[in-house]
Amino acid sequence: DVKVTQSSRYLVKRTGEKVFLECVQDMDHENMFWYRQDPGLGLRLIYFSYDVKMKEKGDIPEGYSVSREKKERFSLILESASTNQTSMYLCASSLWWGTSGYEQFFGPGTRLTVL
Amino acid sequence: AQSVTQLDSQVPVFEEAPVELRCNYSSSVSVYLFWYVQYPNQGLQLLLKYLSGSTLVKGINGFEAEFNKSQTSFHLRKPSVHISDTAEYFCAVTFYGQNFVFGPGTRLSVLP
Repeated sequence: DVKVTQSSRYLVKRTGEKVFLECVQDMDHENMFWYRQDPGLGLRLIYFSYDVKMKEKGDIPEGYSVSREKKERFSLILESASTNQTSMYLCASSLWWGTSGYEQFFGPGTRLTVL
Repeated sequence: AQSVTQLDSQVPVFEEAPVELRCNYSSSVSVYLFWYVQYPNQGLQLLLKYLSGSTLVKGINGFEAEFNKSQTSFHLRKPSVHISDTAEYFCAVTFYGQNFVFGPGTRLSVLP
């Protein structure tokens, strides 16, 4: 089974802090994604990566950055956390587009609260 | 640009009753369609997907969905729900080489 793990289930930070969210997958997937989930809005793509050191902006990249130094690990960074970044953050991974039906596998999520 | 609409934000239903969760999408090209389920405090899990072939797709936990190209719909159905089906359900669309677009979700509440 594919396993996607996220470093924390719950996180509380203060405004202005630098926040790191870590995601690791164990199935050698090329693609990795960071989403935020808010009630009534579904999942919105923040950033994705299709290879080591490669990154692409999603729909809502403002206030976020990412890092992918190793194939299995994809980090989301909030340079200076703000209260409007309070949300559920979901990491996902998939094989390269065009293989295996494009299914994305999700981690359990990190619920971040910024005070 | 693609978009996904899930008209019902909440669907309450009694146990053992049938349920249909609606999903419509807009796209000018052929798409691939997915339904995911999210149980409380968990990530998303794939229920079923349509890539090509038969328009009736069967998934896990007794769910099925039908792709209707003319109506640009991919409604999810189950003939008899259980309490354990209480969860949030997301419809998603993509086309070759592109990222997913998710709908806003439908919260299914199964009542005893």
